[in-house]
Amino acid sequence: SQTIHQWPATLVQPVGSPLSLECTVEGTSNPNLYWYRQAAGRGLQLLFYSVGIGQISSEVPQNLSASRPQDRQFILSSKKLLLSDSGFYLCASWGGGELFFGEGSRLTVL
Amino acid sequence: EDQVTQSPEALRLQEGESSSLNCSYTVSGLRGLFWYRQDPGKGPEFLFTLYSAGEEKEKERLKATLTKKESFLHITAPKPEDSATYLCAVQPNDYKLSFGAGTTVTVRA
Repeated sequence: SQTIHQWPATLVQPVGSPLSLECTVEGTSNPNLYWYRQAAGRGLQLLFYSVGIGQISSEVPQNLSASRPQDRQFILSSKKLLLSDSGFYLCASWGGGELFFGEGSRLTVL
Repeated sequence: EDQVTQSPEALRLQEGESSSLNCSYTVSGLRGLFWYRQDPGKGPEFLFTLYSAGEEKEKERLKATLTKKESFLHITAPKPEDSATYLCAVQPNDYKLSFGAGTTVTVRA
């Protein structure tokens, strides 16, 4: 099965600062990759997905962007964070009919 | 637009008190319905995938069933370690999952 690594696990950033969250996947090749955000008490909102290197689809208009520089690497970025960007960010990878999740990155914007 | 509604939002059970969680959905074409368990501060953990109405799957004290409009997750004789948030998701005609808000289950000893 797959293993998904996310870092950092926890991040506290001021409004207006940049952001970079990284995700790497082991145990598979050419996976479909996803970034989800989970706000407190709410479901998982799909932000971006990628079917291959350099191929990014955005699900909702927002202050964030995603990149996939390598087959098993997925990065979530922002140039200037907003308070509303706070949340729990989850990277996921599709494989064997199942969506595998990483342990998440908790972002607090102050 | 795909919609997934889970109820209740929260469920408090006594150890051994069986209950059911509901997931109702509207989707253009269902490839699969997924159940996940999520512990606080962790990523969701896969439990089941159901593909067609009438299908049932079991794992320990959990049993998932599927109809054309909803799915149920039955918890039989729960233990405190079953306390978690249970998420339901639908897979439409591509490789994206749309999630419900979840049901938070608390089992008291």
